Order: sequence, then structure tokens, then C-alpha cells
Amino acid sequence: GQQLNQSPQSMFIQEGEDVSMNCTSSSIFNTWLWYKQDPGEGPVLLIALYKAGELTSNGRLTAQFGITRKDSFLNISASIPSDVGIYFCAGQLSGGSNYKLTFGKGTLLTVNP
Amino acid sequence: DAGITQSPRYKITETGRQVTLMCHQTWSHSYMFWYRQDLGHGLRLIYYSAAADITDKGEVPDGYVVSRSKTENFPLTLESATRSQTSVYFCASSGPGYEQYFGPGTRLTVT
Repeated sequence: GQQLNQSPQSMFIQEGEDVSMNCTSSSIFNTWLWYKQDPGEGPVLLIALYKAGELTSNGRLTAQFGITRKDSFLNISASIPSDVGIYFCAGQLSGGSNYKLTFGKGTLLTVNP
Repeated sequence: DAGITQSPRYKITETGRQVTLMCHQTWSHSYMFWYRQDLGHGLRLIYYSAAADITDKGEVPDGYVVSRSKTENFPLTLESATRSQTSVYFCASSGPGYEQYFGPGTRLTVT
């Protein structure tokens, strides 16, 4: 099936550092979503993007819908220990149906206090 | 509380047994989804439902059965559990937009 390539697979950073991660695909997406999953919990929606070029912030998080509609980026500024978790991108494929999403495999973020 | 809930949160069962995982949402969302999450595979769609009495297969439906007699409930049944079905199962729902909201998950172990 359709895949989203999410990178990096994992990151180990110091508290206070900025973080960037991205998702790319060979296909065009209409919607990009970013989720965070804490250990033992379900994914929680962080940011939703609907238009090419859109830049949206949620506190220290900023995400962008790539202009080609084939990629998206998530930045976290001034990381703190509670940012630890797995971050997933998800997209709604152009021409896709029935509200199905395609998910990346996640970026595992570790923050060293 | 409003939202999406799953039960049980943890389940251990034996090979060959039937087990049902429950999902309940209070938002009256039309769409509901079942995923399994495994290391190396990420989230994989098992089944989804567009409305009550409308269900369809996802990426990995074999060995699973779903029903949706009411909008708010979407149970997932493993008819004869196998060890390969050991996984974490997530239910999700979505309303008018494409955003999906996930439940807390059920960790299932098949021995």
C-alpha cells in the first residue's frame, strides 16, 4: 500500500534544543496530520493541515504542509522532557476515499533533561 | 466522560479462543476505525465503518470480524485468536473532517 516515509526514525536531544522531523511521499495528499503517542496511550492529534503551503502552530509546535503536497514538516522549539514520545505523521491521500489515513512509522523522540 | 473509550485495556487469551474488543465514542462521529500497532509495522488498518451497518475491510482484515449496530459502538472480534494477533489495538473515530481521534488502546496477548 501507499507509504509515508517519516524521518528520522529516532532522535536523542538535550532539553532546550529545537527538533525537526518530516514526512515525504511520492503521492499527493489533501490533508496532513501530526500525532504524538505517549507510552501506553493512544495517539493524540497535535496539528492538522489542509492547504499546500499552510503553516500552523500549536504552542511550541509548528507544522507545514509542503508546497508540492507530497511532504510535511513538524518542528518543536525549546524541547522539554514531556516532549518525549513517538510522533506520527498521517495524510489523507488525494483521490483516496472513505476518510482513510496513511500513517508514517513514527519518530521516537528522547529528551535528555 | 465524553470521548472515545476502549475495553478491556489489557487482555490475555489462549490460542483458538474468541475475544471481543469494545470501542465506544460519545461524539456521534460517523466514521470509526480499528488499527493494530506492531513494532516495525506502525499502525495498520483492520476495518472501518462509515456509519451504522456499513463496514469495510482495511489493510489486514483476516481473522477479524466487526459489527456496528449503533453509531457509538464498534466492537472488534477475533473469531479464533492466533499468536500473530498479539498486538496493541486502537479504535479511532472521525467526524466531518479527516482528523481521527484515538482511544487509549487494548493490549492483547495470545498465548
